[in-house]
Amino acid sequence: EAQVTQNPRYLITVTGKKLTVTCSQNMNHEYMSWYRQDPGLGLRQIYYSMNVEVTDKGDVPEGYKVSRKEKRNFPLILESPSPNQTSLYFCASSPRDRPYYGYTFGSGTRLTVV
Amino acid sequence: AQSVTQLDSQVPVFEEAPVELRCNYSSSVSVYLFWYVQYPNQGLQLLLKYLSGSTLVKGINGFEAEFNKSQTSFHLRKPSVHISDTAEYFCAVTISGFQKLVFGTGTRLLVSP
Repeated sequence: EAQVTQNPRYLITVTGKKLTVTCSQNMNHEYMSWYRQDPGLGLRQIYYSMNVEVTDKGDVPEGYKVSRKEKRNFPLILESPSPNQTSLYFCASSPRDRPYYGYTFGSGTRLTVV
Repeated sequence: AQSVTQLDSQVPVFEEAPVELRCNYSSSVSVYLFWYVQYPNQGLQLLLKYLSGSTLVKGINGFEAEFNKSQTSFHLRKPSVHISDTAEYFCAVTISGFQKLVFGTGTRLLVSP
């Protein structure tokens, strides 16, 4: 089954404790992206990657890092989480240069930073 | 740059009634338009999309949307809703040659018996 897999689904952590949210897709998609979803703000792009070793900032990149060492994986790293990063996070992928395709989304990671 | 406006943050409706969720976009070039649905505690699922051609687009679960270029709108409709349609609906836009999807702030559809 074609899918984007995120882990964990739920995470509660403390301020300053580094964490990684994993994202993996099995569709051989070149393009991958991270979004955060907040009430009243919709989905905002954090980072994206056009292909292996190619990443760039989205609209709200502060406090986040990403890497793209393999085509299928695109982890999101919070080196020193803060309470304002409490949010619902989604990973998405699509074939490159086919924006009409739309995105395939993961099931989401609900992060709480206390 | 493209942008999307969903004016209604919440739409309450009774079961079996018709519903319209409004979406307006802003872009100086031709666009691709999408509607996604998010059921409680789930990810986003593609409902339908407009790429070109017929302005009336049919999607899954009985939903349809009409592209109106002059009004820069892409409203989502369903003639008769079910309780199971309770979810959040997101309109999104992108343009040719540009990979990023820009999302609206979402509309929560609340269907009651």
